[in-house]
Amino acid sequence: QVQLVESGGGVVQPGRSLRLSCAASGFTFSSYDMHWVRQAPGKGLEWVAVISYDGTNEYFADSVKGRFTISRDNSKNTLYLQMNSLRAEDTSVYYCAKEVLVVGTTGPYWYFDLWGRGTLVTVSS
Amino acid sequence: SSELTQDPAVSVALGQTVRITCQGDSLRGYYANWYQQKPGQAPVLVIYDKNNRPSGIPDRFSGSRSGNTASLTITGAQAEDEADYYCNSRDSSGNHVVFGGGTKLTVL
Repeated sequence: QVQLVESGGGVVQPGRSLRLSCAASGFTFSSYDMHWVRQAPGKGLEWVAVISYDGTNEYFADSVKGRFTISRDNSKNTLYLQMNSLRAEDTSVYYCAKEVLVVGTTGPYWYFDLWGRGTLVTVSS
Repeated sequence: SSELTQDPAVSVALGQTVRITCQGDSLRGYYANWYQQKPGQAPVLVIYDKNNRPSGIPDRFSGSRSGNTASLTITGAQAEDEADYYCNSRDSSGNHVVFGGGTKLTVL
């Protein structure tokens, strides 16, 4: 079954750390760039970070740069998000998403074709 | 600018046509993708690249672009189309992803 399953969310105090996991199945995980996207309660989607298929490139939103790291273990088909120095504004549902990149005849294009169901992170004292 | 701007809310009568727009400078170089999100659920891709629909998405959904504005059109809106819709694209660096603020579609 093709799916992504996030885990590791919970309630954490400001300034503390948390690590999220995203377990992939049903596709060749090591062939795809993977992203984290979050959604604060009642708000819109916010892109968080991306890691290349082989783990050699990573990019972060300015809002989390320097506090969050992204990694992957292709032998375990698992994506991670290490979140440090958490703030109240990091409270969100965190989704992992799989990126499909296609090199078309008129140029490359990409999209997120698979999302997990999300895991809720609440930062509160 | 790396921002994508969407109208917060749009409504449409059942069976009528509605257009949801997404505006941003990055759209001059990149096509927008569109996602549908219903309450309590993860987003679902409905349109990607110029005007492509994933398997299972009804053909009443279509996409287009003109200048720095991308549009999602629903021709003959159904009650089940009531949802939040988000556009996304890449920023000018190509390394970061940006989302629009989302449009809440109400089907009357």
